[in-house]
Amino acid sequence: QVQLVESGGGVVESGRSLRLSCAASGFSFSNYAMHWVRQAPGKGLEWVAVVSFDGFNKYYAESLQGRFTISRDSSKNMVYLEVNSLRPDDTAIYYCARDVKQLWFTGGFDYWGQGTLVTVSS
Amino acid sequence: QSALTQPASVSGSPGQSITISCTGSDSDIGNYNYVSWFQHYPGTAPKLLIFEVTKRPSGVSDRFSGSKSGNTASLTISGLQPEDDGDYYCSSYATGTSRVVFGGGTRLTVL
Repeated sequence: QVQLVESGGGVVESGRSLRLSCAASGFSFSNYAMHWVRQAPGKGLEWVAVVSFDGFNKYYAESLQGRFTISRDSSKNMVYLEVNSLRPDDTAIYYCARDVKQLWFTGGFDYWGQGTLVTVSS
Repeated sequence: QSALTQPASVSGSPGQSITISCTGSDSDIGNYNYVSWFQHYPGTAPKLLIFEVTKRPSGVSDRFSGSKSGNTASLTISGLQPEDDGDYYCSSYATGTSRVVFGGGTRLTVL
């Protein structure tokens, strides 16, 4: 069965960096785009970034561009999100999610991880 | 401020039908048939209900249906059940830098 397991969250000081990881299993990883989505406390879902099935295309939420870097390692079935210059408003649950469409992406996420909580202290 | 606009809340009684709207622009909903809907309970991962405007993943009840007209997409839930109580989000593929946009979410209360 499809599984996505995030890790790497925790309490981090403002201004520091963090790398989140997502381990994927149970499907042909190299056929699917992978996304990160976050939810701040008391707020709605916010799309963060996507990496295409082949790793060549990466897109980011306009408001987050510059501090976030998404990547994937298809030899390990892993997706990563690196966040630099963390700010208190980056505090959120970060979810890894698979796109529903093979070989491109549509913004429909059919499988999600359980999320990893990032808390940025000021 | 979310790129897609949803009502903050809707409510209905068991057995009734409700519709949640999701309004975007020519850069997203109006130009692509890539609208999705999710159900989210606090503390759990969101669940995909509808993708590509009208398609239901296997295992999703046919009480959930999606549609689109112009720049507005809609999710209809028929035969409301108490367990439908929760938060609902729409998303769309988009042109521009942010290739995926979400709505702000709608809280459904089943009275």
